[in-house]
Amino acid sequence: NAGVTQTPKFQVLKTGQSMTLQCAQDMNHEYMSWYRQDPGMGLRLIHYSVGAGITDQGEVPNGYNVSRSTTEDFPLRLLSAAPSQTSVYFCASSTLTSQEYGYTFGSGTRLTVV
Amino acid sequence: QKEVEQDPGPLSVPEGAIVSLNCTYSNSAFQYFMWYRQYSRKGPELLMYTYSSGNKEDGRFTAQVDKSSKYISLFIRDSQPSDSATYLCASSSNSGGYQKVTFGTGTKLQVIP
Repeated sequence: NAGVTQTPKFQVLKTGQSMTLQCAQDMNHEYMSWYRQDPGMGLRLIHYSVGAGITDQGEVPNGYNVSRSTTEDFPLRLLSAAPSQTSVYFCASSTLTSQEYGYTFGSGTRLTVV
Repeated sequence: QKEVEQDPGPLSVPEGAIVSLNCTYSNSAFQYFMWYRQYSRKGPELLMYTYSSGNKEDGRFTAQVDKSSKYISLFIRDSQPSDSATYLCASSSNSGGYQKVTFGTGTKLQVIP
């Protein structure tokens, strides 16, 4: 029972580089989302999806892109990395009908942009 | 102003103490209230979930919601060193068929043996 799997766990990028953070879940959850967590700012929603082919912006979407071609996968793309994108990124998933079970989070990707 | 406010701490208590963690919120549409626990360098995990006002107990943990004052509390009885973590409160409302969740910034708790 893997839950939510994020890769890589750590990444260092140079300013201007692009990369994709991977997120996969094996619980058949309809809802998937990406958060970034920064000291003093808490968890901030970047993008979310309520099903394959459906995505929408969250609170801080600029500089990030997502797509959802399958129920299981929800990759996050950094188009041109900036130092302000240094953060810990979490992917989370849940069902749409059983909200009392809350979100299942991945273990995070620690990204440093230099 | 954030919709969910939480004192960042840190909060240090001796083992066995009763811990009180608190949040306030501003959005009257919030219906669901949650507490997540996050260990260092790990993802948050759901600890407790309540709907509307009232209390909910699970072992040593009690979650309390007072919608009249927009106040959310988590009480930990007989605190243990393994309870040392950051505790995130969260509130949600229905938005287009799914729950839109807003998180507090988290309170770091240290339980000293």
